[in-house]
Amino acid sequence: EADIYQTPRYLVIGTGKKITLECSQTMGHDKMYWYQQDPGMELHLIHYSYGVNSTEKGDLSSESTVSRIRTEHFPLTLESARPSHTSQYLCASSEWGQGAWTTNEKLFFGSGTQLSVL
Amino acid sequence: KNQVEQSPQSLIILEGKNCTLQCNYTVSPFSNLRWYKQDTGRGPVSLTIMTFSENTKSNGRYTATLDADTKQSSLHITASQLSDSASYICVVSPSGGYNKLIFGAGTRLAVHP
Repeated sequence: EADIYQTPRYLVIGTGKKITLECSQTMGHDKMYWYQQDPGMELHLIHYSYGVNSTEKGDLSSESTVSRIRTEHFPLTLESARPSHTSQYLCASSEWGQGAWTTNEKLFFGSGTQLSVL
Repeated sequence: KNQVEQSPQSLIILEGKNCTLQCNYTVSPFSNLRWYKQDTGRGPVSLTIMTFSENTKSNGRYTATLDADTKQSSLHITASQLSDSASYICVVSPSGGYNKLIFGAGTRLAVHP
């Protein structure tokens, strides 16, 4: 069982609100990720971090921002939510596997936050 | 373009039966291939990770195969249980960076009693 937690599990808010999705892991992983997933569709990377004070944008353009002030905490913020932001947001972290050069890292996911913007 | 295609899109089987899910990819250069199980409303959980040199890998009733020459993988589920009902996602990692994982859209499996 992975020790990575996301809150809230479900969030329904109105357009224009500022929201923060929380993600915490207790495994001491340096690498953390945010993915966005629509129903029946593939996961898309929107942000990642390789350690404290390191954040990068992923492959999918997103209006959200992230911060990494502590190793265990990787929150995602939307300054002004819109209906187009309705989706499931999944946080993940990883550890090095056998032989880092093969990128065999195990990826652990949280349970996700289902966001609905009205 | 790097892509991962999964088939079928959805599948219904009876409890106790076997099934095989397919994954074709065009990712190159290729590092490894992973299968994840995602229950509805939950995050994906890793089932197997295979490098290009591995042909088969088992995890309980789940057996994954990989043919790096034809760029195909399959996930075989033996003696299915109701708890196997979930989406099964094939993920391919190109060489050169973890942030470049390519996800398939998944196969949604429903096991009926």
